[in-house]
Amino acid sequence: AQSVTQLDSHVSVSEGTPVLLRCNYSSSYSPSLFWYVQHPNKGLQLLLKYTSAATLVKGINGFEAEFKKSETSFHLTKPSAHMSDAAEYFCVVSDGQAAGNKLTFGGGTRVLVKP
Amino acid sequence: DAGVIQSPRHEVTEMGQEVTLRCKPISGHNSLFWYRQTMMRGLELLIYFNNNVPIDDSGMPEDRFSAKMPNASFSTLKIQPSEPRDSAVYFCASTLDRGAYSNQPQHFGDGTRLSIL
Repeated sequence: AQSVTQLDSHVSVSEGTPVLLRCNYSSSYSPSLFWYVQHPNKGLQLLLKYTSAATLVKGINGFEAEFKKSETSFHLTKPSAHMSDAAEYFCVVSDGQAAGNKLTFGGGTRVLVKP
Repeated sequence: DAGVIQSPRHEVTEMGQEVTLRCKPISGHNSLFWYRQTMMRGLELLIYFNNNVPIDDSGMPEDRFSAKMPNASFSTLKIQPSEPRDSAVYFCASTLDRGAYSNQPQHFGDGTRLSIL
């Protein structure tokens, strides 16, 4: 079985300051991990993915995430927030075992960016 | 490239009516997923297909929900009869599944916002 916990349901940052979104996972297998972003009235867009290569993963729009197996964490960061980063972010795990790579979603973290 | 295309974007209908949601996956993708998103329950997987065959429908809430994938480029999710508690945003996603551990990301459509009055 696998699960994902996003530790913060809401994060508020000022424009230009760093963003940290926390995610812990559990998985019976070597997992693949993803971060998706959802802007209002839109579908989920892939930010980045970890698939057992480099533990520091760079994604789109300046985001990156670090896989830490000892801590079972996959936190998402961005050095400088932009107003356009206001959205909901989902941490997602796939154990890759099932056909179609069934995903398990975290509860989401809503990011507010203040001017 | 065209992404996953869902229609309609919005649907408002009365309780008891039949609702049909449509999805066109990305060309070449062989797995398709239907999700439901609500404030209370977040994102829930309803059903997924691999090579047009339903693999896991354990997330389908009840017999009022049905899904089909007659070919590789089209899928429907039907609710009959609809109830107010079915109000949600329904997403379709697709991916190219190369087998276990292929770890390809899913690509999502923009969703159908369904309101049952």
